Amino acid sequence: EDQVTQSPEALRLQEGESSSLNCSYTVSGLRGLFWYRQDPGKGPEFLFTLYSAGEEKEKERLKATLTKKESFLHITAPKPEDSATYLCAVHLNNAGNMLTFGGGTRLMVKP
Amino acid sequence: NAGVTQTPKFRVLKTGQSMTLLCAQDMNHEYMYWYRQDPGMGLRLIHYSVGEGTTAKGEVPDGYNVSRLKKQNFLLGLESAAPSQTSVYFCASTDSFNQPQHFGDGTRLSIL
Repeated sequence: EDQVTQSPEALRLQEGESSSLNCSYTVSGLRGLFWYRQDPGKGPEFLFTLYSAGEEKEKERLKATLTKKESFLHITAPKPEDSATYLCAVHLNNAGNMLTFGGGTRLMVKP
Repeated sequence: NAGVTQTPKFRVLKTGQSMTLLCAQDMNHEYMYWYRQDPGMGLRLIHYSVGEGTTAKGEVPDGYNVSRLKKQNFLLGLESAAPSQTSVYFCASTDSFNQPQHFGDGTRLSIL
């Protein structure tokens, strides 16, 4: 069965303390991996798409990387406004155009 | 630019009642999706549509029906609400199967 697992479930950081979030997947035929940010009471907001192993994308303090088995979302010198839940999702090489989401990592950055 | 708009934002139902959730997008997207989000479960796909007049089942379709009579609208129906359907429902749309999905801000539904 295709699975997407995110770790840790929750992460507390001090402002400026860099860290990484992990998204591992046991799927066949990955067509793309997506990272989203979700604020409380809001819908997920798109951050990055990665299509092949070795690919990297950056946006401000965030950098996403992809290997054949997992993806990392690196957060450099985070600020309190980076506090949110980060979701990853995989698009499989099958019919249906469906995304499979991980459970998310809740990030809290304290000043 | 409204993007994806969900109506209503909150609703409380009694067991056995029916209701329809509306999703409207103004981006001329072909693909539309309905998800539910529960604590610890992540987002799970209920139904989706790849174009006007089409619908298909997702991961957790039981107890729900959908319709896509107009390209810009995707309706999610609960015929006989059950407490297990208490959740936050999100609608999303995209213009291509491998492009990012754009989400609405959700409908918070409680079934008593």
